[in-house]
Amino acid sequence: DQQVKQNSPSLSVQEGRISILNCDYTNSMFDYFLWYKKYPAEGPTFLISISSIKDKNEDGRFTVFLNKSAKHLSLHIVPSQPGDSAVYFCAATLGGSNYKLTFGKGTLLTVNP
Amino acid sequence: DGGITQSPKYLFRKEGQNVTLSCEQNLNHDAMYWYRQDPGQGLRLIYYSQIVNDFQKGDIAEGYSVSREKKESFPLTVTSAQKNPTAFYLCASSIGLINTEAFFGQGTRLTVV
Repeated sequence: DQQVKQNSPSLSVQEGRISILNCDYTNSMFDYFLWYKKYPAEGPTFLISISSIKDKNEDGRFTVFLNKSAKHLSLHIVPSQPGDSAVYFCAATLGGSNYKLTFGKGTLLTVNP
Repeated sequence: DGGITQSPKYLFRKEGQNVTLSCEQNLNHDAMYWYRQDPGQGLRLIYYSQIVNDFQKGDIAEGYSVSREKKESFPLTVTSAQKNPTAFYLCASSIGLINTEAFFGQGTRLTVV
């Protein structure tokens, strides 16, 4: 059973517009959520995170929203740029002394010039 | 420069042979992880270690073995018991504190022929 789900395998947007990537989770014990960006044949790079005690975290063009009651988080990229084209992974941890990340399957974002 | 180094980047092995993937970090991180990426599967956790001389099975540990004799090193052995070893393997590390991100290496593409 998949505890972190990214139901959209791909998303295509125009340059300058907003990209919204979604993620749902089933384990209510998840305490910390992260987004990673990955290019082919490279390791993922950390983008932004949010603690379960918050509902929003912003870093430049990237904003993550958390809706705990719906067990849903989203990553907003504004404005989108062609260099943002990559696979985006949502991940979650249980917190406490358990540091392991549980990942979703990823969403391929394509930003068209 | 601090970081995580995986070697080699590409590895070819004959079926039935064991192979060991190297992962070294100089970030002074306590926790280290091995993930496997397959097309459409996202990142799946193989093994993780939160401290030297201790490690735990992840979600897909069968056919793999690890050791953590030094803080800096977390090698992964893909044994002949692993039925589908061809994949992209990613090593990561984190400080090991609550609510911190993991940093990834560049990955090793293992192809078994």
